[in-house]
Amino acid sequence: DAGVTQSPTHLIKTRGQQVTLRCSPKSGHDTVSWYQQALGQGPQFIFQYYEEEERQRGNFPDRFSGHQFPNYSSELNVNALLLGDSALYLCASSDRGDTGELFFGEGSRLTVL
Amino acid sequence: QKEVEQDPGPLSVPEGAIVSLNCTYSNSAFQYFMWYRQYSRKGPELLMYTYSSGNKEDGRFTAQVDKSSKYISLFIRDSQPSDSATYLCAFSTGGFKTIFGAGTRLFVKA
Repeated sequence: DAGVTQSPTHLIKTRGQQVTLRCSPKSGHDTVSWYQQALGQGPQFIFQYYEEEERQRGNFPDRFSGHQFPNYSSELNVNALLLGDSALYLCASSDRGDTGELFFGEGSRLTVL
Repeated sequence: QKEVEQDPGPLSVPEGAIVSLNCTYSNSAFQYFMWYRQYSRKGPELLMYTYSSGNKEDGRFTAQVDKSSKYISLFIRDSQPSDSATYLCAFSTGGFKTIFGAGTRLFVKA
């Protein structure tokens, strides 16, 4: 049973560029959430997708956008990258979105230079 | 006041010790209380999950929730070097956002 898979695992970008991160949820899960984890901090909620719609959004600017596909996979896009966007980006899937029972991927580590 | 407070540590204990990890919170609407374990360079994995107040035991791990004091704990008995990781407390109101603590780094020395 495949767990949550994310790609790429590492990437380096420069300020002002754009990045797309990808996630495939655990088999049987239809809800995908994205979190940002800065070094030494806990994950911060970016947004959650269910039935291809953004269901809730955290305190992140519009530069952060996402998409969910009919097969439940998801993308996170970040435009106009800032140095402060350097972090581990975590995708989490669940079969419900409202209990906190999340299954995380190993993350995509983004470095912005 | 922060919504969740968690001592970042690090906490260093000898193998076999009992470990106590704690978080306090301020949001009375939290209904779901979780502990996640995160190894270095990995994603968090759900360790313990409780709904409402009380205790829950799973092997060497016990989670306690005291809603009256807004305080949750995770106890690890007979700690092992393989328990060395960052432990994140997490909370949900039943909405779609999970709130995480900053994590406590634990080192168990052989």
